[in-house]
Amino acid sequence: QVQLQESGPGLVKPSETLSLTCTVSGGSISTYYWTWIRQPPGKGLEWLGDIYYTGVARLNPSLKSRVAISLDTSKNQFSLKLSSVTAADTAVYHCARDNGRYDFWGQGALVTVSS
Amino acid sequence: DIQMTQSPSSLSASVGDRVTITCRAGQSIDTYLNWYQHKPGKAPKVLIHDASHLQSGVPSRFSGSGSGTDFTLTINSLQPEDFATYFCQQSYTTPRTFGQGTKVEMK
Repeated sequence: QVQLQESGPGLVKPSETLSLTCTVSGGSISTYYWTWIRQPPGKGLEWLGDIYYTGVARLNPSLKSRVAISLDTSKNQFSLKLSSVTAADTAVYHCARDNGRYDFWGQGALVTVSS
Repeated sequence: DIQMTQSPSSLSASVGDRVTITCRAGQSIDTYLNWYQHKPGKAPKVLIHDASHLQSGVPSRFSGSGSGTDFTLTINSLQPEDFATYFCQQSYTTPRTFGQGTKVEMK
């Protein structure tokens, strides 16, 4: 059974960079698209972007200048970096596998942006 | 971006009821539409993929229909474990977009 687990700081200061890693177990990261999705408190889900196992990333244009997604196949991990964060970036951040649908998800990591 | 509009945003139902949730896409997405169930503190779970295909392991009381812009998720004979939030998601193009969710509450 494939499992995903997000890890990273739960608190980030405004203007700094949010960094999260998703570790994939029970399956190889060397196929499929791997995705980051977030949900601000009381709001809907937002797709941040994804990355193919080849390393090609697709990013949400609304965040494109601030978001980066990378892949480390040797560690079976992929990562999210979101720069210049503000309080509006406070959210639960999920990683997920895209198999045409998001069939495996991490539990989610709450990241709060606050000084 | 393709806007996904769900209705209703919430509903109250009883165990045994039939529940219907609709999702409308801002443009045609063929059948590239997925439905998920989300409970607080848990990872979302895919129920239906490609508009009408039941995800492996999901009870048959869940069904989906539609194509183009209009889609429906139906839960036949609502069970206690089905009280949750449901949302749709288009996989037709990027950026992927989601409906705002429908919370199914106990009447």
